[in-house]
Amino acid sequence: SAVISQKPSRDICQRGTSLTIQCQVDSQVTMMFWYRQQPGQSLTLIATANQGSEATYESGFVIDKFPISRPNLTFSTLTVSNMSPEDSSIYLCSALGGAGELFFGEGSRLTVL
Amino acid sequence: GESVGLHLPTLSVQEGDNSIINCAYSNSASDYFIWYKQESGKGPQFIIDIRSNMDKRQGQRVTVLLNKTVKHLSLQIAATQPGDSAVYFCAEKDFGNEKLTFGTGTRLTIIP
Repeated sequence: SAVISQKPSRDICQRGTSLTIQCQVDSQVTMMFWYRQQPGQSLTLIATANQGSEATYESGFVIDKFPISRPNLTFSTLTVSNMSPEDSSIYLCSALGGAGELFFGEGSRLTVL
Repeated sequence: GESVGLHLPTLSVQEGDNSIINCAYSNSASDYFIWYKQESGKGPQFIIDIRSNMDKRQGQRVTVLLNKTVKHLSLQIAATQPGDSAVYFCAEKDFGNEKLTFGTGTRLTIIP
């Protein structure tokens, strides 16, 4: 299984600012994904982080709001831009294992004031 | 789009008893299913998976059953322990698509 490290683990941010979340995997993986989990809810896919090319966003999520980088096979970042209180959520990085299973980091809990 | 849903949002089980968590899915093309456990303040943890060519798969104290006819998935946890208290999610994906779709989650509480 892959070990996924995210940072920051939590942060409190001011409205209008941006925050970048980093995700490091302990082995090379073909696919990485970013999910959002709003309080008390399930996981919603934001985008697929593609290595060497632009991320693929799901309906309702746009690059201007959630720019994503993936410079190599072990690292990705998600930026939450121009934050509002509605962006308060847990943001989860995930990576696809060799057998098709998806592993998750511990998440980054954002609170926007 | 296709959805994955759970029958019960909460479940309380006496410690030592068996628990069953159910999940319905609607995508008939789904061919891979995973159960995750999420403890408070943590990320989802992989428990067990099953592919559509199987009806049953067993792990340590856990069993996943798949009924493709009625598009139903269940997770059975044997001899529950306090550490089993968590939210459990089912997730599915279809062939050729690596994106997982998650169900709404069931909160399992183990009563001492």
